[in-house]
Amino acid sequence: KAGVTQTPRYLIKTRGQQVTLSCSPISGHRSVSWYQQTPGQGLQFLFEYFSETQRNKGNFPGRFSGRQFSNSRSEMNVSTLELGDSALYLCASSPWALCYGYTFGSGTRLTVV
Amino acid sequence: DAKTTQPNSMESNEEEPVHLPCNHSTISGTDYIHWYRQLPSQGPEYVIHGLTSNVNNRMASLAIAEDRKSSTLILHRATLRDAAVYYCILTGGEIQGAQKLVFGQGTRLTINP
Repeated sequence: KAGVTQTPRYLIKTRGQQVTLSCSPISGHRSVSWYQQTPGQGLQFLFEYFSETQRNKGNFPGRFSGRQFSNSRSEMNVSTLELGDSALYLCASSPWALCYGYTFGSGTRLTVV
Repeated sequence: DAKTTQPNSMESNEEEPVHLPCNHSTISGTDYIHWYRQLPSQGPEYVIHGLTSNVNNRMASLAIAEDRKSSTLILHRATLRDAAVYYCILTGGEIQGAQKLVFGQGTRLTINP
């Protein structure tokens, strides 16, 4: 079965721009989470959605936002990009909740110049 | 979020068992113990999780101390493909609680041929 698909795989943006990343979860999975990975901070939780509702949010500024559609696909948006937003952004999906384990995608590598 | 402590790195030989320790002395009664691993250039991968009893699956075994203040991930016969960073994570409240993974620095496992 298809895994978690993230697009695009690589992205280069200029400081001040905005960016939208996409995540298609495994079919039937209703929970989608987003994580940021940087060499300095490691893996950090951004937010989690279930049935189009944000259930949890990490400690990130309001420039980071997300949403989930009725087909469980999710997008995250970062506005007014800063150099420090350069990171690997990972999406993970689960059938319902954490107890089922998350399946992660391969991520989107965002570089802000 | 309850904290876990893992060794920064461990080394083992191919085809030998590997025991990866994790201390979580502040674990609460409802915290689950999850293990994920991240292979180079990939997103994290779910390995196993448990609450009180020892757990086995096709990838590994999870041994949980009776007082639940520590646990050990056991890879029964390590292969070179098991070289990865292993994360021990506590999650509270499967459904009602935080649907997020709080990653620490993990243990970098090196497998020697």
